[in-house]
Amino acid sequence: EDQVTQSPEALRLQEGESSSLNCSYTVSGLRGLFWYRQDPGKGPEFLFTLYSAGEEKEKERLKATLTKKESFLHITAPKPEDSATYLCAWRSYGGATNKLIFGTGTLLAVQP
Amino acid sequence: DVKVTQSSRYLVKRTGEKVFLECVQDMDHENMFWYRQDPGLGLRLIYFSYDVKMKEKGDIPEGYSVSREKKERFSLILESASTNQTSMYLCASSLNQPKNIQYFGAGTRLSVL
Repeated sequence: EDQVTQSPEALRLQEGESSSLNCSYTVSGLRGLFWYRQDPGKGPEFLFTLYSAGEEKEKERLKATLTKKESFLHITAPKPEDSATYLCAWRSYGGATNKLIFGTGTLLAVQP
Repeated sequence: DVKVTQSSRYLVKRTGEKVFLECVQDMDHENMFWYRQDPGLGLRLIYFSYDVKMKEKGDIPEGYSVSREKKERFSLILESASTNQTSMYLCASSLNQPKNIQYFGAGTRLSVL
């Protein structure tokens, strides 16, 4: 069964303390990895998409990387406004073209 | 900017009521999706549509139906609401391209009493 696992479930950082979030999967074929940010009471906001092992993308303090079996979201010198839930999702090969399989998210809290 | 608009942010309904959740997108996207999001379970796909009047079941379609009469509008229908359908409902849309991205609305928090 296709499955996406995110770790840790929750992470508390001090402002400026860098860390990484993990997203691993057991999916029958990979056709893309997506990272979203979700603020409380709001819908997910798209951050990055990665398609090939070794691919990296950056946006401000966030950097997403992809290997054959997992993806990391690196947060460098975070600020309190980076506090949110970060979701990853894999699109698998076959079946519905646009179906995404989501992890349950990592709740990040950055304290000043 | 892509805009996906869900008609209600909060809804409170009674058990057995018929409930309509509406979603409109303004980017001419072919694909539209309905998810529900529950603590510890993540986002789960209820139904999706890849064209007008076309629909496919997602992972948890039981108790739900959908309607897509126009390209920009996708409705989720709870025929007879039950308490276990209390949840956050999220609508999304995307282009029908290999590297498409799903864009989400703000969500509707539904409480069934």
